[in-house]
Amino acid sequence: GQSLEQPSEVTAVEGAIVQINCTYQTSGFYGLSWYQQHDGGAPTFLSYNALDGLEETGRFSSFLSRSDSYGYLLLQELQMKDSASYFCAVTARGSTLGRLYFGRGTQLTVWP
Amino acid sequence: EAGVAQSPRYKIIEKRQSVAFWCNPISGHATLYWYQQILGQGPKLLIQFQNNGVVDDSQLPKDRFSAERLKGVDSTLKIQPAKLEDSAVYLCASRGPQVAGGSYEQYFGPGTRLTVT
Repeated sequence: GQSLEQPSEVTAVEGAIVQINCTYQTSGFYGLSWYQQHDGGAPTFLSYNALDGLEETGRFSSFLSRSDSYGYLLLQELQMKDSASYFCAVTARGSTLGRLYFGRGTQLTVWP
Repeated sequence: EAGVAQSPRYKIIEKRQSVAFWCNPISGHATLYWYQQILGQGPKLLIQFQNNGVVDDSQLPKDRFSAERLKGVDSTLKIQPAKLEDSAVYLCASRGPQVAGGSYEQYFGPGTRLTVT
């Protein structure tokens, strides 16, 4: 089976940097994705890592260490609009057509 | 391009009643997913379609839940009869193009918030 652990809540102030960690256990790992979800909104794709290392997309970066079964999402220059829930999700090797297994999510609150 | 459409956005029913949700994915997307998201949790896959065929329904409570995608485009998820624990947001998603590294981005609809009383 698959299990993912991430902190339930993180708070930070505008302009700061925050890191949301995710550890996973899976029977055959293929990749780790991150999704953002505002209250009452739809999850939206942020990033994907299949190989070790850092992927940067604007203010957001995502890191993966396959040997440690660990990844993180790094949000820089925080803005109020970044207040949302962030989910890590694994794609398991052999899973059908990109099936995702989601963590419980991390609620990020950005204060002015 | 239009996003994933879902209706209704909200639904309140009593336990033991029936309810149906509708989803229209992004045009051309062959893979469609239905998720259940209970408050405070991540989305959990209920069923996955490829065109009009079921690929994975291992997590679907088949005694009360059913889904179809007859023409390989829009889809309907039904609950009959509903239980209190079915209160959740039901999300529909369709699979987009392959991203770097070999995975796929999923595009989610706004969801249907179901309250069972």
